[in-house]
Amino acid sequence: EIVLTQSPGTLSLSPGERATLSCRASQSINSSYLAWYQQKPGQAPRLLIYGASSRATGIPDRFSGSGSGTDFTLTISRLEPEDFAVYYCQQYGSSPGTFGQGTKVEIK
Amino acid sequence: QVQLQESGPGLVKPSQTLSLTCTVSGGSISSGGYYWSWIRQHPGKGLEWIGYIYYSGSTYYNPSLKSRVTISVDTSKNQFSLKLSSVTAADTAVYYCARRTQLWLGGGVDYWGQGTLVTVSS
Repeated sequence: EIVLTQSPGTLSLSPGERATLSCRASQSINSSYLAWYQQKPGQAPRLLIYGASSRATGIPDRFSGSGSGTDFTLTISRLEPEDFAVYYCQQYGSSPGTFGQGTKVEIK
Repeated sequence: QVQLQESGPGLVKPSQTLSLTCTVSGGSISSGGYYWSWIRQHPGKGLEWIGYIYYSGSTYYNPSLKSRVTISVDTSKNQFSLKLSSVTAADTAVYYCARRTQLWLGGGVDYWGQGTLVTVSS
């Protein structure tokens, strides 16, 4: 089973700042089959990025994903108030698909 | 717009079987390209994949739960279901039904139900 480790655990930033979230895999992920999700309290996760760098339908272009192999990054170029949430990475190239433990982006 | 809705008991006794159903609207389960999935989230914790089913009936289960999980599909009702047997307090979680796209469509989980909290307690 591929283990995903996200860092940092919590990111304290102000609106307008840039957020950089990391996801590291215990082994190489096939064909960049990695996704990022946003989850707000009391809500289901929302797909942001799939295939490591493709934005899902309706996702603003301030969200971008990059990386390959074992190291992946989600970047939010300028934080909007609605972006403060928990973010999860997920690999689906190897069964079972596994999730990282999450990074909380909180208002500084 | 595809919508998924979980239904089932919110309280299950230890050693009994947890049963949930997901009703899909706005799209057909029988359309190819999707895995109909169950994912859970323990309170305040991360996400855990339980398993999924294709409309043809083929399934995949997380090895850590495989001995206790059954996922089935009823295409006539546009529903799929989860059964988890011999539950303990460790199975207390929010259970989500969701749609995962096949790899050629991107592979991400693009639609989720709102989630339902299932508590295991006597």
